[in-house]
Amino acid sequence: DTAVSQTPKYLVTQMGNDKSIKCEQNLGHDTMYWYKQDSKKFLKIMFSYNNKELIINETVPNRFSPKSPDKAHLNLHINSLELGDSAVYFCASSQDDTTYEQYFGPGTRLTVT
Amino acid sequence: DQQVKQNSPSLSVQEGRISILNCDYTNSMFDYFLWYKKYPAEGPTFLISISSIKDKNEDGRFTVFLNKSAKHLSLHIVPSQPGDSAVYFCAASGTGTYKYIFGTGTRLKVLA
Repeated sequence: DTAVSQTPKYLVTQMGNDKSIKCEQNLGHDTMYWYKQDSKKFLKIMFSYNNKELIINETVPNRFSPKSPDKAHLNLHINSLELGDSAVYFCASSQDDTTYEQYFGPGTRLTVT
Repeated sequence: DQQVKQNSPSLSVQEGRISILNCDYTNSMFDYFLWYKKYPAEGPTFLISISSIKDKNEDGRFTVFLNKSAKHLSLHIVPSQPGDSAVYFCAASGTGTYKYIFGTGTRLKVLA
């Protein structure tokens, strides 16, 4: 009964492809996030959704499109993958958008060749 | 521009001794700070937090100290245990943003 789960755990794909990463939380939280951890280990927020509404959208290429079908799911779709997209992507959730503590998923390691 | 810095990429400590992990920040608008612990192939897990109205917060073996004038916080683990071996990230947020800026982490190794 994992609290925040992500699939797949590993994703290897070629440049130019389109791929999706799925995230689900069973904590009943209202707010979900996507983070990217690059090769320099920086963990940076990309998006945040609160009750299916986008509340944080950092400077991310529009090839990245988050989708929240319901408040328990936040998927990340990436179009036209580039080498620089290779990273570990973490999904997280928090009780609401006024709560600091976030619960992270195990991460998805994306490798673009 | 790295607003949260963890200048020590790694730290080794003997079991039973104190581990001190440091974090510096540059943005004076930050007023809430957290520490996360991360094991390999897992996501970060919340450890302890501190608000800028405090200078110390304690939870069992973990204590976080905040020095606002120096824009510095530290995490003390005492006594250190082998299971504490992990990467520790500090993160900072400003009121109302609920958006964290993370440091790059410090890898702690506790030697048995």
